[in-house]
Amino acid sequence: KQEVTQIPAALSVPEGENLVLNCSFTDSAIYNLQWFRQDPGKGLTSLLLIQSSQREQTSGRLNASLDKSSGRSTLYIAASQPGDSATYLCAGFVSSGSARQLTFGSGTQLTVLP
Amino acid sequence: NAGVTQTPKFRVLKTGQSMTLLCAQDMNHEYMYWYRQDPGMGLRLIHYSVGEGTTAKGEVPDGYNVSRLKKQNFLLGLESAAPSQTSVYFCASSSTTGRHGNQPQHFGDGTRLSIL
Repeated sequence: KQEVTQIPAALSVPEGENLVLNCSFTDSAIYNLQWFRQDPGKGLTSLLLIQSSQREQTSGRLNASLDKSSGRSTLYIAASQPGDSATYLCAGFVSSGSARQLTFGSGTQLTVLP
Repeated sequence: NAGVTQTPKFRVLKTGQSMTLLCAQDMNHEYMYWYRQDPGMGLRLIHYSVGEGTTAKGEVPDGYNVSRLKKQNFLLGLESAAPSQTSVYFCASSSTTGRHGNQPQHFGDGTRLSIL
C-alpha cells in the first residue's frame, strides 16, 4: 500500500526566502506525483503534476522534482510571498488494473511572514 | 466558470440519519472521486467513478454508497450517519487524455459534515 509522508508538518519563513517542501512515498510504481495547494476552508488547487518519466516541472516561482528511485519529491518555492501561505499537499497516483487512486500526504502548513 | 460544485456546503446530522451529497462538474470529465479529509490525515479516497454508470471502491468505502447516473454528477450517500463520519468531504474530477491519472484532478470547495 502506498504511503506518502510530508515533513515538516508546519513551516514559517520570512518573506523573500527560498524554501523547499519535502514529500516521500513508499511505492516507486507511481504514474505521477502531484502537488496541491489548499487555502483555509477551500478545496485543493493543482499546482504541478510530474509524470513518472519526468524529473521535474516548473510553473512560475514553483519547481517540483521527482526521484522515483529514492521515493522523494520536493517542491521549491522561490522568493516566497505572504500570499504563498497555505497548506501544500503532495499525492502519488497509482493505477493497477481497475484501481486508480491518489494517495495524499497530510500536508505542510506554510506561513510566510511579511 | 463553475468547475466542480458541491452541495450542500455545511450540514449537521443526527446519528442514524441519512443524506446525499451532490457533486456536479461542467468540464465533461470522465473520472470523478469522493474523498474525506480529517485533521492530520490528509485526504482518503472513499469511492470513484471512471464513467457514467460505473463506480468503484476506494480506501475507505464502508458506510457510504455512490451513484453516477449522469456523467456530470456524482452522488455520495450516507445510509445511517455515525459520528465517525464527521469530516470534510471533497469531490474531484479529471479528464482521460492520455493514460488514466495523467491529468490533474480538479476539486470542489468541500462539504463540512458534522454528525451528532
